[in-house]
Amino acid sequence: GQQLNQSPQSMFIQEGEDVSMNCTSSSIFNTWLWYKQDPGEGPVLLIALYKAGELTSNGRLTAQFGITRKDSFLNISASIPSDVGIYFCAVTNYGGSQGNLIFGKGTKLSVKP
Amino acid sequence: SAVISQKPSRDICQRGTSLTIQCQVDSQVTMMFWYRQQPGQSLTLIATANQGSEATYESGFVIDKFPISRPNLTFSTLTVSNMSPEDSSIYLCSAGQIETQYFGPGTRLLVL
Repeated sequence: GQQLNQSPQSMFIQEGEDVSMNCTSSSIFNTWLWYKQDPGEGPVLLIALYKAGELTSNGRLTAQFGITRKDSFLNISASIPSDVGIYFCAVTNYGGSQGNLIFGKGTKLSVKP
Repeated sequence: SAVISQKPSRDICQRGTSLTIQCQVDSQVTMMFWYRQQPGQSLTLIATANQGSEATYESGFVIDKFPISRPNLTFSTLTVSNMSPEDSSIYLCSAGQIETQYFGPGTRLLVL
């Protein structure tokens, strides 16, 4: 089946550092999403990307939809302890009421104060 | 946005029994989804539940094992039937459009 590869699997960084993680696929997808899951909670949508080459920001988070539609990266600037969690990318070629989401395996982020 | 709640938040069950998980949305939604997440793993879609129609199951999941109800536009249940230890997992419901799903907090199930 289709697979998303997320890297790195885990990161352990110092508070204040910038973070970069990425997600790649062997297939083209038209919509790329980034979710964050806190311990004991469900995932929360951070950023949605709909257009190849699109660069979108949400506060300290910036994500880009790769021009080939096979990859995306998520950057977090000036990390803080509450950034701790698992970051998932997800993709779909549909929207609205069609299709479903495929999730990556996640990048686990730990931040040392 | 939508606020999703799930009951129970966690449970420990004996093999061979069944557990029904409830998912409540604070607004009317057409589409609801049920996922399974093994500890430390990604989310796998079990089925899509639209009000007024039978749930659509993904490959590897069957209605006899995971019957789903969707009686109205704000509520759904997932039953994990005839449980075995392999069913120990986190079960998450979500609601919304495909590309803007809002997730519940999950139900943590341990089967002994």
